[in-house]
Amino acid sequence: KAGVTQTPRYLIKTRGQQVTLSCSPISGHRSVSWYQQTPGQGLQFLFEYFSETQRNKGNFPGRFSGRQFSNSRSEMNVSTLELGDSALYLCASGSSGSYNEQFFGPGTRLTVL
Amino acid sequence: AQSVTQLDSQVPVFEEAPVELRCNYSSSVSVYLFWYVQYPNQGLQLLLKYLSGSTLVKGINGFEAEFNKSQTSFHLRKPSVHISDTAEYFCAVSELLQGAQKLVFGQGTRLTINP
Repeated sequence: KAGVTQTPRYLIKTRGQQVTLSCSPISGHRSVSWYQQTPGQGLQFLFEYFSETQRNKGNFPGRFSGRQFSNSRSEMNVSTLELGDSALYLCASGSSGSYNEQFFGPGTRLTVL
Repeated sequence: AQSVTQLDSQVPVFEEAPVELRCNYSSSVSVYLFWYVQYPNQGLQLLLKYLSGSTLVKGINGFEAEFNKSQTSFHLRKPSVHISDTAEYFCAVSELLQGAQKLVFGQGTRLTINP
């Protein structure tokens, strides 16, 4: 079974621009979660989607948004980029149920200049 | 809200020595606990998990962890480390909200193995 794939792996943007990151979960997984990893704040939960519905959202401004498609692929969008948005963005996929083990992708490294 | 504290930000040890990475969590309800490892420029890989049952959990690469409810701890151990264990290790607790699970992570412990 193929793992979680994230594209692109690296991205450089300038302040004020917007960016879209993509995540393809493991085949059969319907849950996709997004996390932001920075040296200062560590790993923080952004949001989780299940069957195209956002079920849970972390404490991030409205500039961070996401969606999930019918094939479970997910995208996250960050608008009006700020320097502090530079981070590794990790996507995790899981199956259904009250507990679902989360499998992480390699991440997208976003640098905002 | 649940929180996780990893007591050491960096742990240097010599190759073949034992190691313990400490993790404490705050929760008043049943918890699921995890240890993940992150190698440079990679995502997170699950080392082991505690869902229920035996408090001693064995994982991959020779790691194990012990769940201690009274101490609210979930320390990770390995009896003999190898250079390839050099990585960052994250302890996490699962928080359930509206039927959805999210992971709350500690700040991470950087394990450095010296020859």
